[in-house]
Amino acid sequence: EPEVTQTPSHQVTQMGQEVILRCVPISNHLYFYWYRQILGQKVEFLVSFYNNEISEKSEIFDDQFSVERPDGSNFTLKIRSTKLEDSAMYFCASTPRTLTYEQYFGPGTRLTVT
Amino acid sequence: GIQVEQSPPDLILQEGANSTLRCNFSDSVNNLQWFHQNPWGQLINLFYIPSGTKQNGRLSATTVATERYSLLYISSSQTTDSGVYFCAVVRLWNDYKLSFGAGTTVTVRA
Repeated sequence: EPEVTQTPSHQVTQMGQEVILRCVPISNHLYFYWYRQILGQKVEFLVSFYNNEISEKSEIFDDQFSVERPDGSNFTLKIRSTKLEDSAMYFCASTPRTLTYEQYFGPGTRLTVT
Repeated sequence: GIQVEQSPPDLILQEGANSTLRCNFSDSVNNLQWFHQNPWGQLINLFYIPSGTKQNGRLSATTVATERYSLLYISSSQTTDSGVYFCAVVRLWNDYKLSFGAGTTVTVRA
């Protein structure tokens, strides 16, 4: 069964460094998402991406964040200058956006900023 | 935005017991999903259930969209059922982003 994959599974970085989180959505899916979950809290929407552009973003998704689909298969989330409060689990999701809106989630990347 | 409330916040069960988790939402939806977050933090998709009833092994779910709630049933609970259960919805005519509830933390004791 096709699945969403994410790399790395865990990343440790120092405050102020740039990080890139990578996702490979399911191949025939059209809509892509990033969500994050700070430890002990609920999952929050960050951004959605369709047809090579951002379709919606949350208040969390400020100028420090960017997304890209560089090669038709990968979907990346970049944080330019990490802060301690960026420490969280980041989930990528995709959906075929046909008759179903079910979103398929990747296993997540745990980002720790020190 | 849409409000998603889950109850109870915490649930402690003896192995073999049955339980019901509830999800209330404040607006019409065209997507509702139940997830189980395992100890490694992964979100496991349990059900896509915008309406009706589905069953998968010892788990089943029912969504009554007109009354804006969904129920997740766990029967004959096992220790491996422990974890956090999240309900998430997409508001009707919204841009398809999921809005999550705060979750129900289930602890099953042997």
